[in-house]
Formats: sequence, C-alpha cells, structure tokens
Amino acid sequence: GENVEQHPSTLSVQEGDSAVIKCTYSDSASNYFPWYKQELGKRPQLIIDIRSNVGEKKDQRIAVTLNKTAKHFSLHITETQPEDSAVYFCASYSGAGSYQLTFGKGTKLSVIP
Amino acid sequence: DTGVSQNPRHKITKRGQNVTFRCDPISEHNRLYWYRQTLGQGPEFLTYFQNEAQLEKSRLLSDRFSAERPKGSFSTLEIQRTEQGDSAMYLCASSSQLGLVGGELFFGEGSRLTVL
Repeated sequence: GENVEQHPSTLSVQEGDSAVIKCTYSDSASNYFPWYKQELGKRPQLIIDIRSNVGEKKDQRIAVTLNKTAKHFSLHITETQPEDSAVYFCASYSGAGSYQLTFGKGTKLSVIP
Repeated sequence: DTGVSQNPRHKITKRGQNVTFRCDPISEHNRLYWYRQTLGQGPEFLTYFQNEAQLEKSRLLSDRFSAERPKGSFSTLEIQRTEQGDSAMYLCASSSQLGLVGGELFFGEGSRLTVL
C-alpha cells in the first residue's frame, strides 16, 4: 500500500518568515495530493490540494509543489502569522483500486510572534 | 450546522465493553469514510462507503470492528470487546463524488474513545 513520509515533525519560525514542509510518497500511481490543517482540538480542514497534471499551485500565502519523478511534494507558507500555528498533514490518493487517502504523520508548526 | 456531525463526542468505557459511534455526513455527500487518529499521528483509514455499499476496509479493521451505512445516509462504527489499544479519536468524513480524482474530505469533530 501507499506510504507517506512527512518532514519535519516540528517546525518553529518567526512571524513573517517562510515555512516549508516536505512529503514523499511511494505509489507511483498516486495522482492527488491534499494538505490538511488541524488546529488544537479541531477537525482537519483542507487548505490546498494539487493533482498530478500540474507542478505547482498557489493560493494567497500558501503554495504546493509536486515532483512526480522524485515522488515528493511540498507545502510552502510565506509571511507566516501566529494563526498559522497548527499541525499540517500531507496526504496521497492513489486511486488505483483504492479509495483511501493516506496521511503523513504531521508537522507541528509554531509561529513565534 | 450543515457540517459532519459525530456523537458521542467522548466515550469512556471499560475493557471488554462494546461501543458504537454515529456519523451524520453532509446531506448531499454520497461518500463516507471512517478514520482513526492517535496522539501525534495522522488519520489512519479504516473504511469507506459509497452510498450504502462498504467498498473498502483497512487491514487495521479487525473482526471486532464493524461499520454500517444502512440507508446511505448516517453511518455507525461499532467496536466489540474493546481493548486499551482502541483508545483513539475516531473521525468520520464525507465527500461528494465530483467525477474528479480525489476530492475534499469534510471531517467531523470526532468521537474520542478512552478504554480503561
């Protein structure tokens, strides 16, 4: 089955700096890669996603890049704000006879004011 | 509130007891998922329904676990003979069949199970 590795597990940045979280996946058939944000005690919520037919996608201060050859994708947050502090999960969807979204173990991002 | 609803939000039980969780998805969503999340981990897939059909089950789902979605609307997840290792947050999510690859999962607040 699919295996998703996520790094780093914790990340601290100063407010205004950028944050980068990286993930690798194992199934070359994977074709959909979402990122979820989970604030403390809250439900995971989708913040951005990318499909395999594009290499980059941006939405205001967040962007995701995908390298299908290397089987890795990254989340970039620019001009970080304290409200960006949360746990971020990458995920991968293979779609090859499976309906499951496989999640990474998460990155706890702390933005220091 | 038109989001995904789960209850109970918290359940404390003794080892060996049975527990049941209920999930009410967003009404127009035909896809329903159950995930389990333990502290410091990402959600782990348990099972998937499309309408009332259970199309996929994880190997994590032992024979003590059973899930149903009898009319293609709400779903229940039952754990029989609970063990301490079952302690976790059980998350339900729903999505609509957009005809595209993947699609956003809308999660509920979760049902936290503590097995003593």
